Amino acid sequence: ETGVTQSPTHLIKTRGQQVTLRCSSQSGHNTVSWYQQALGQGPQFIFQYYREEENGRGNFPPRFSGLQFPNYSSELNVNALELDDSALYLCASSFGRQQETQYFGPGTRLLVL
Amino acid sequence: KQEVTQIPAALSVPEGENLVLNCSFTDSAIYNLQWFRQDPGKGLTSLLLIQSSQREQTSGRLNASLDKSSGRSTLYIAASQPGDSATYLCAANTGNQFYFGTGTSLTVIP
Repeated sequence: ETGVTQSPTHLIKTRGQQVTLRCSSQSGHNTVSWYQQALGQGPQFIFQYYREEENGRGNFPPRFSGLQFPNYSSELNVNALELDDSALYLCASSFGRQQETQYFGPGTRLLVL
Repeated sequence: KQEVTQIPAALSVPEGENLVLNCSFTDSAIYNLQWFRQDPGKGLTSLLLIQSSQREQTSGRLNASLDKSSGRSTLYIAASQPGDSATYLCAANTGNQFYFGTGTSLTVIP
């Protein structure tokens, strides 16, 4: 059984650029959630996908968008990057719509200059 | 909107001491509550999940309790070890979203 993986591990972008982050779910999981964690803060929920459909969204602007693929892997896209988007982006997978235990990936550290 | 608070923000204890971390949440309509551990710059590791119908869960030296009516959960760590040093986060699950606290940074001094 493979765990949750994320790519890339680190990324540096400039303000105004676009970025795509990727997440592979743990085997057998059909739900993926994305979180943004600023330094010294707890993770903030961005959105969740359940069986390829968005199943909830946090208080993030539309320039944060996502996809879930038939194999339940997922992408997080952020357009028009801002300095405040610098954070650790975490992906978590679980089974089911109402979420049992979430299993987190190691995260992608994004720095926007 | 669900708000989750963790107290204390930081805690330093000598090795071998038992300790309690606190988590409070404002909306008792949760499906479950999960405790995580996070090492610096890393992802989150799940420690314990307590369903809304349960009062406590145990795993090794860890015991988590849940009191939905008062909006509180505690994580008890017995016989602390230096390897327990990390940030501990609790998260309340409302069904399609986990609301996280800001964590308690624990340092266990050898």
